[in-house]
Amino acid sequence: QTVVTQEPSLTVSPGGTVTLTCASSTGAVTSGYYPNWFQQKPGQAPRALIYGTSNTYSWTPARFSGSLLGGKAALTLSGVQPEDEAEYYCLLYYGGAQEVFGGGTKLTVL
Amino acid sequence: QVQLQESGPGLVKPSETLSLTCTVSGGSISTYYWNWIRQPPGKGLEWIGYIYYSGSTNYNPSLKSRVTISVDTSKNQFSLRLSSVTAADTAVYYCARSGLGLLEYWGQGTLVTVSS
Repeated sequence: QTVVTQEPSLTVSPGGTVTLTCASSTGAVTSGYYPNWFQQKPGQAPRALIYGTSNTYSWTPARFSGSLLGGKAALTLSGVQPEDEAEYYCLLYYGGAQEVFGGGTKLTVL
Repeated sequence: QVQLQESGPGLVKPSETLSLTCTVSGGSISTYYWNWIRQPPGKGLEWIGYIYYSGSTNYNPSLKSRVTISVDTSKNQFSLRLSSVTAADTAVYYCARSGLGLLEYWGQGTLVTVSS
């Protein structure tokens, strides 16, 4: 059973910077896992933010960026806004066999 | 702009089969991968599986014995069937479009409750 692990919760001040991470039970996360990141606000469907580790969509705010950090996938928010308060999920692809979501990180902006 | 819309019964009895359909508009279903994902109330996301427009499928190993995903290109729709449901299958079910390594467009989701 493959497990993808994220921080359960993080708190950041408005205007600050925060990094969320995504780890795999199989070992280091590489670009071959095509890490994706999603934002979900209460009562809404998830919205795609990042694909292929660091690629953004046309609707992704510039303050969101993706990377690999210390064997994990990472999502960094720079200059956090109050509207960034949400649940964030990562998704890893395992060789075409399956796709596994992380458990999610609840980000509080306080 | 591609849009996806889930439809189907909101209540299913235990041991019966859950059936949902996703209608795709603003683009053809005859390319890309078409996914089902679910989220139990208050919990995280779980990938159920996908179908390629040609009909090839890939399922979550934990659900594989109970899941069937099919596609109807003439109607620009794809469907989910989940058999022998229990209360643990109560969730919001989302359909979504993916390409190689990206899961781009999502439907708004539909809540399915398993209860007698």
